[in-house]
Amino acid sequence: SQQGEEDPQALSIQEGENATMNCSYKTSINNLQWYRQNSGRGLVHLILIRSNEREKHSGRLRVTLDTSKKSSSLLITASRAADTASYFCATVSQGYKLTFGKGTLLTVNP
Amino acid sequence: NAGVMQNPRHLVRRRGQEARLRCSPMKGHSHVYWYRQLPEEGLKFMVYLQKENIIDESGMPKERFSAEFPKEGPSILRIQQVVRGDSAAYFCASSPSSGDYYEQYFGPGTRLTVT
Repeated sequence: SQQGEEDPQALSIQEGENATMNCSYKTSINNLQWYRQNSGRGLVHLILIRSNEREKHSGRLRVTLDTSKKSSSLLITASRAADTASYFCATVSQGYKLTFGKGTLLTVNP
Repeated sequence: NAGVMQNPRHLVRRRGQEARLRCSPMKGHSHVYWYRQLPEEGLKFMVYLQKENIIDESGMPKERFSAEFPKEGPSILRIQQVVRGDSAAYFCASSPSSGDYYEQYFGPGTRLTVT
């Protein structure tokens, strides 16, 4: 079964709005990572949050982590059409094995 | 500094043929990982290799699939006697070392279609 599960599966918003995606996982983690995948392309690493961190920012991205609830959220502020992509959370086990959820497909309409 | 290179980008094979997928890691990276993505799914770990060694192949199907990372040249993922269910995108990633805080850099993927 999936270690990470994103919610919602699909999200459609207007340019300028904020987009929030959630991720739940099952086992204890050392860190959680978020990736972006544009249609038909490879994955791009967005941000890594360690288990002892509660919130992390990178540009227009804000990630939170709640280890007691085994959940994380990714917030994209002031979205742009170029943010249209699938977003995946991933946990790491054994120091190298990334386990991905099914992703959230974000569509930002101009 | 070139990123992770994969070729071919698209590969069409008939059932029963062999598929060979190549991955050149980023310069200075000696750790290579292969992942498979089925339609509408997230990526699933297949195998982790270092130069000339398979470290973890727990995600590889037991039959028909093999991987190598020779001392010289790219890493190869080989699928023998392909079946329709092998149709997927195969991604390679590399890192300079392993560990929870080392980012894996992904290539653009090879999309395999079995007809």
